[in-house]
Amino acid sequence: AQSVTQPDIHITVSEGASLELRCNYSYGATPYLFWYVQSPGQGLQLLLKYFSGDTLVQGIKGFEAEFKRSQSSFNLRKPSVHWSDAAEYFCAVGLFNTDKLIFGTGTRLQVFP
Amino acid sequence: ETGVTQTPRHLVMGMTNKKSLKCEQHLGHNAMYWYKQSAKKPLELMFVYSLEERVENNSVPSRFSPECPNSSHLFLHLHTLQPEDSALYLCASSQGPGGADHLKSELFFGSGTQLSVL
Repeated sequence: AQSVTQPDIHITVSEGASLELRCNYSYGATPYLFWYVQSPGQGLQLLLKYFSGDTLVQGIKGFEAEFKRSQSSFNLRKPSVHWSDAAEYFCAVGLFNTDKLIFGTGTRLQVFP
Repeated sequence: ETGVTQTPRHLVMGMTNKKSLKCEQHLGHNAMYWYKQSAKKPLELMFVYSLEERVENNSVPSRFSPECPNSSHLFLHLHTLQPEDSALYLCASSQGPGGADHLKSELFFGSGTQLSVL
Protein backbone atom coordinates (compact mmCIF):
# COMPACT_ATOMS: atom_id res chain seq x y z
CA ALA A 1 0.00 0.00 0.00
CA GLN A 2 1.11 3.55 -0.66
CA SER A 3 2.21 5.24 2.55
CA VAL A 4 4.32 7.90 4.19
CA THR A 5 6.36 7.04 7.27
CA GLN A 6 7.89 9.41 9.76
CA PRO A 7 9.62 6.98 12.12
CA ASP A 8 10.41 9.52 14.84
CA ILE A 9 7.39 10.61 16.84
CA HIS A 10 9.32 12.97 19.09
CA ILE A 11 12.82 14.44 18.82
CA THR A 12 14.61 16.64 21.33
CA VAL A 13 17.67 18.70 20.42
CA SER A 14 19.66 21.48 22.01
CA GLU A 15 19.54 24.93 20.50
CA GLY A 16 22.36 25.29 17.98
CA ALA A 17 22.57 21.57 17.28
CA SER A 18 21.96 20.11 13.85
CA LEU A 19 18.68 18.42 13.00
CA GLU A 20 17.54 15.69 10.66
CA LEU A 21 13.93 14.53 10.46
CA ARG A 22 13.26 11.37 8.55
CA CYS A 23 10.58 10.67 5.96
CA ASN A 24 10.17 7.54 3.89
CA TYR A 25 7.50 6.76 1.36
CA SER A 26 6.18 3.67 -0.34
CA TYR A 27 5.16 4.36 -3.93
CA GLY A 28 6.03 2.94 -7.33
CA ALA A 29 7.20 6.19 -8.88
CA THR A 30 8.77 9.40 -7.66
CA PRO A 31 5.98 11.37 -6.07
CA TYR A 32 5.78 15.05 -5.32
CA LEU A 33 7.32 15.59 -1.87
CA PHE A 34 6.63 18.24 0.74
CA TRP A 35 7.52 19.24 4.26
CA TYR A 36 5.07 21.27 6.31
CA VAL A 37 5.52 22.71 9.81
CA GLN A 38 2.81 23.30 12.41
CA SER A 39 3.57 25.62 15.30
CA PRO A 40 1.43 25.28 18.45
CA GLY A 41 -2.09 26.55 17.89
CA GLN A 42 -1.47 27.17 14.22
CA GLY A 43 -2.22 25.60 10.88
CA LEU A 44 0.41 23.98 8.70
CA GLN A 45 2.90 26.04 6.70
CA LEU A 46 4.90 24.81 3.71
CA LEU A 47 8.65 24.61 4.34
CA LEU A 48 9.77 23.20 1.01
CA LYS A 49 8.81 20.92 -1.86
CA TYR A 50 10.38 18.66 -4.46
CA PHE A 51 8.96 17.79 -7.86
CA SER A 52 12.02 16.99 -10.00
CA GLY A 53 15.55 18.14 -10.77
CA ASP A 54 18.18 18.92 -8.14
CA THR A 55 17.65 16.47 -5.30
CA LEU A 56 18.70 18.96 -2.63
CA VAL A 57 16.03 21.59 -2.12
CA GLN A 58 16.17 24.71 -0.02
CA GLY A 59 13.21 25.97 1.94
CA ILE A 60 12.22 28.73 4.29
CA LYS A 61 13.62 29.27 7.78
CA GLY A 62 16.98 27.75 6.85
CA PHE A 63 15.65 24.24 6.20
CA GLU A 64 16.70 21.94 3.39
CA ALA A 65 15.70 18.46 2.31
CA GLU A 66 17.34 15.83 0.17
CA PHE A 67 15.49 13.38 -2.04
CA LYS A 68 17.16 9.96 -2.25
CA ARG A 69 15.45 7.76 -4.80
CA SER A 70 17.37 4.62 -3.80
CA GLN A 71 16.13 4.97 -0.22
CA SER A 72 12.66 6.36 -1.00
CA SER A 73 13.46 9.10 1.46
CA PHE A 74 13.07 12.84 1.75
CA ASN A 75 14.75 13.84 4.98
CA LEU A 76 14.56 17.36 6.36
CA ARG A 77 17.68 19.01 7.74
CA LYS A 78 18.79 22.18 9.44
CA PRO A 79 22.43 22.83 10.42
CA SER A 80 21.65 24.86 13.56
CA VAL A 81 18.29 24.71 15.31
CA HIS A 82 16.71 27.76 16.94
CA TRP A 83 14.28 27.65 19.87
CA SER A 84 11.57 28.97 17.54
CA ASP A 85 11.84 25.79 15.45
CA ALA A 86 10.01 23.85 18.15
CA ALA A 87 6.91 22.60 16.33
CA GLU A 88 5.46 19.56 14.63
CA TYR A 89 6.80 18.64 11.22
CA PHE A 90 4.83 16.77 8.60
CA CYS A 91 6.10 15.06 5.50
CA ALA A 92 3.57 14.79 2.67
CA VAL A 93 3.54 12.92 -0.59
CA GLY A 94 1.50 13.76 -3.68
CA LEU A 95 0.51 10.62 -5.56
CA PHE A 96 -0.54 11.35 -9.10
CA ASN A 97 -2.11 7.98 -9.74
CA THR A 98 -4.65 8.61 -6.98
CA ASP A 99 -4.54 12.39 -7.23
CA LYS A 100 -4.14 12.54 -3.47
CA LEU A 101 -1.82 14.23 -1.01
CA ILE A 102 -0.94 11.90 1.88
CA PHE A 103 0.53 13.19 5.13
CA GLY A 104 2.74 11.38 7.59
CA THR A 105 1.88 11.21 11.28
CA GLY A 106 4.30 14.00 12.13
CA THR A 107 7.44 14.46 14.23
CA ARG A 108 7.27 16.72 17.24
CA LEU A 109 10.48 18.70 17.73
CA GLN A 110 11.41 20.02 21.15
CA VAL A 111 14.34 22.42 21.49
CA PHE A 112 16.22 22.90 24.74
CA PRO A 113 18.15 26.12 25.42
CA GLU B 1 -7.66 40.11 7.12
CA THR B 2 -5.11 37.96 5.37
CA GLY B 3 -4.64 34.27 4.76
CA VAL B 4 -7.12 31.67 5.89
CA THR B 5 -9.38 32.42 8.85
CA GLN B 6 -11.36 29.82 10.78
CA THR B 7 -14.07 30.35 13.36
CA PRO B 8 -14.68 29.42 16.06
CA ARG B 9 -11.25 28.49 17.44
CA HIS B 10 -12.79 26.15 19.98
CA LEU B 11 -16.15 24.38 20.04
CA VAL B 12 -17.72 22.08 22.59
CA MET B 13 -20.92 20.36 21.58
CA GLY B 14 -23.19 17.58 22.69
CA MET B 15 -24.00 14.66 20.46
CA THR B 16 -27.46 16.02 19.67
CA ASN B 17 -26.35 19.55 18.79
CA LYS B 18 -26.07 21.14 15.38
CA LYS B 19 -23.20 23.52 14.79
CA SER B 20 -21.21 24.91 11.88
CA LEU B 21 -17.54 25.62 11.30
CA LYS B 22 -16.63 28.55 9.10
CA CYS B 23 -13.61 29.15 6.92
CA GLU B 24 -12.75 32.22 4.89
CA GLN B 25 -9.78 32.68 2.60
CA HIS B 26 -8.50 36.08 1.50
CA LEU B 27 -5.94 34.76 -0.99
CA GLY B 28 -8.04 34.60 -4.15
CA HIS B 29 -7.57 30.85 -4.38
CA ASN B 30 -9.84 28.56 -6.39
CA ALA B 31 -9.81 25.45 -4.19
CA MET B 32 -10.69 24.88 -0.55
CA TYR B 33 -10.33 21.84 1.69
CA TRP B 34 -11.43 20.41 5.02
CA TYR B 35 -8.96 18.24 6.91
CA LYS B 36 -9.36 16.38 10.20
CA GLN B 37 -6.35 16.21 12.51
CA SER B 38 -6.51 13.65 15.31
CA ALA B 39 -3.75 12.88 17.77
CA LYS B 40 -1.14 10.43 16.47
CA LYS B 41 -2.91 10.01 13.13
CA PRO B 42 -2.10 11.47 9.72
CA LEU B 43 -4.12 14.41 8.49
CA GLU B 44 -7.27 13.09 6.91
CA LEU B 45 -8.66 14.84 3.87
CA MET B 46 -12.42 15.16 4.23
CA PHE B 47 -13.66 17.36 1.40
CA VAL B 48 -12.28 19.30 -1.54
CA TYR B 49 -14.01 22.07 -3.42
CA SER B 50 -12.63 23.40 -6.68
CA LEU B 51 -14.29 26.43 -8.22
CA GLU B 52 -17.10 25.97 -5.69
CA GLU B 53 -17.88 22.42 -6.80
CA ARG B 54 -17.22 19.45 -4.57
CA VAL B 55 -14.61 17.27 -6.25
CA GLU B 56 -13.71 14.97 -3.37
CA ASN B 57 -15.68 13.37 -0.60
CA ASN B 58 -13.29 11.07 1.16
CA SER B 59 -15.83 8.60 2.57
CA VAL B 60 -16.87 11.02 5.27
CA PRO B 61 -19.95 10.17 7.37
CA SER B 62 -23.09 12.08 6.48
CA ARG B 63 -23.12 13.76 9.90
CA PHE B 64 -20.53 16.08 8.31
CA SER B 65 -22.01 18.27 5.59
CA PRO B 66 -19.86 20.80 3.69
CA GLU B 67 -21.03 23.91 1.95
CA CYS B 68 -19.12 26.23 -0.36
CA PRO B 69 -21.31 29.22 -1.29
CA ASN B 70 -18.48 31.02 -3.11
CA SER B 71 -14.76 30.67 -3.71
CA SER B 72 -13.87 32.54 -0.50
CA HIS B 73 -16.07 30.73 2.02
CA LEU B 74 -16.34 27.17 3.19
CA PHE B 75 -18.54 25.74 5.91
CA LEU B 76 -18.69 22.41 7.67
CA HIS B 77 -22.10 21.69 9.15
CA LEU B 78 -22.09 19.24 12.05
CA HIS B 79 -24.99 17.24 13.47
CA THR B 80 -25.38 14.24 15.76
CA LEU B 81 -21.63 13.85 16.12
CA GLN B 82 -19.89 11.12 18.08
CA PRO B 83 -17.15 11.52 20.71
CA GLU B 84 -14.63 10.05 18.25
CA ASP B 85 -15.25 13.07 16.02
CA SER B 86 -13.40 15.21 18.56
CA ALA B 87 -10.37 16.60 16.71
CA LEU B 88 -8.80 19.68 15.20
CA TYR B 89 -10.56 20.59 11.96
CA LEU B 90 -8.36 22.44 9.54
CA CYS B 91 -9.40 24.42 6.51
CA ALA B 92 -6.97 25.02 3.67
CA SER B 93 -6.95 26.72 0.30
CA SER B 94 -4.80 26.53 -2.79
CA GLN B 95 -4.50 27.96 -6.25
CA GLY B 96 -4.05 25.36 -8.94
CA PRO B 97 -4.80 24.65 -12.56
CA GLY B 98 -6.70 21.48 -11.79
CA GLY B 99 -5.97 17.88 -12.71
CA ALA B 100 -2.89 16.19 -11.28
CA ASP B 101 -1.05 19.51 -11.29
CA HIS B 102 -3.07 20.60 -8.28
CA LEU B 103 -0.86 18.26 -6.28
CA LYS B 104 1.94 20.74 -6.84
CA SER B 105 -0.03 23.59 -5.32
CA GLU B 106 0.94 24.84 -1.90
CA LEU B 107 -1.78 24.48 0.72
CA PHE B 108 -2.44 27.46 2.96
CA PHE B 109 -3.98 26.40 6.25
CA GLY B 110 -6.08 28.16 8.83
CA SER B 111 -5.38 27.72 12.54
CA GLY B 112 -8.20 25.24 12.90
CA THR B 113 -11.22 24.66 15.09
CA GLN B 114 -10.62 22.43 18.09
CA LEU B 115 -13.82 20.43 18.42
CA SER B 116 -14.82 18.47 21.50
CA VAL B 117 -17.91 16.26 21.35
CA LEU B 118 -19.32 15.29 24.74
